[in-house]
Amino acid sequence: DTEVTQTPKHLVMGMTNKKSLKCEQHMGHRAMYWYKQKAKKPPELMFVYSYEKLSINESVPSRFSPECPNSSLLNLHLHALQPEDSALYLCASSQELGTNYGYTFGSGTRLTVV
Amino acid sequence: AQKVTQAQTEISVVEKEDVTLDCVYETRDTTYYLFWYKQPPSGELVFLIRRNSFDEQNEISGRYSWNFQKSTSSFNFTITASQVVDSAVYFCALSDRIQGAQKLVFGQGTRLTINP
Repeated sequence: DTEVTQTPKHLVMGMTNKKSLKCEQHMGHRAMYWYKQKAKKPPELMFVYSYEKLSINESVPSRFSPECPNSSLLNLHLHALQPEDSALYLCASSQELGTNYGYTFGSGTRLTVV
Repeated sequence: AQKVTQAQTEISVVEKEDVTLDCVYETRDTTYYLFWYKQPPSGELVFLIRRNSFDEQNEISGRYSWNFQKSTSSFNFTITASQVVDSAVYFCALSDRIQGAQKLVFGQGTRLTINP
C-alpha cells in the first residue's frame, strides 16, 4: 500500500459545526503532515507529527486541532471555522522527520465553510 | 530565507510540443533538496522527482527531464512531446529544516494546459 487516504473528499460545514478530517497511511511512515491550500496558491504547512507527537504547529488558529491516535492515522478536528478557512486540506507522510525523501500526499479534502 | 520562484504562472501549448517549466530558488543551506510535484484537477500532489544539492547530473524519465544548475540556482523541468494528460499545475519545492523537521517551501506553481 503506497497511498495516503483522506476522508471525506468533500465537506461543507457551517460556522458553528464541529467536524473532523481523517488521514490514513499504511506505509510505515513515522512523520505525518497537514497542509492547507487555498485556490490558485501553493500548499502551506500547518502541522507536523513525528512518532505520534506534535513537532510543529505553524501558528495555526486553535479552531484547528490535530490529533495522531496511532502511527497510521492523523485527524484534523474543526470547530467554529470561518468562511476564509475554505480550502483544500492535504495530508502527507514521509519515512521519517527530516529525511528529505519527499512526501506522499493524499488527494485532499475540499472544505467549504458556509 | 528559503524561496522558490516559478515565474511562469500559466503556459498553454499544443499537444506534441516540448515545454519547459522554470524554477529558481534561494537558500541559505549548503545541503538541500529540490522537488517537483504535479497537481492534476483531482487535487492530489504527485511526486515527480527529488534532487539533492550535490548531484547536478541531469535526469531523464521517459518524456520528462530535469536540468539542475547550481550556478544559477535553477531546477527546470522539460516535458518532451507533451500530451493532454500532462495538463496540471506543477510545483517546484525546496526543503527547509525547521526544528529538526523537513518543511517543503513551494513555488507559486505553473498551470500547464496542453491543447489537443
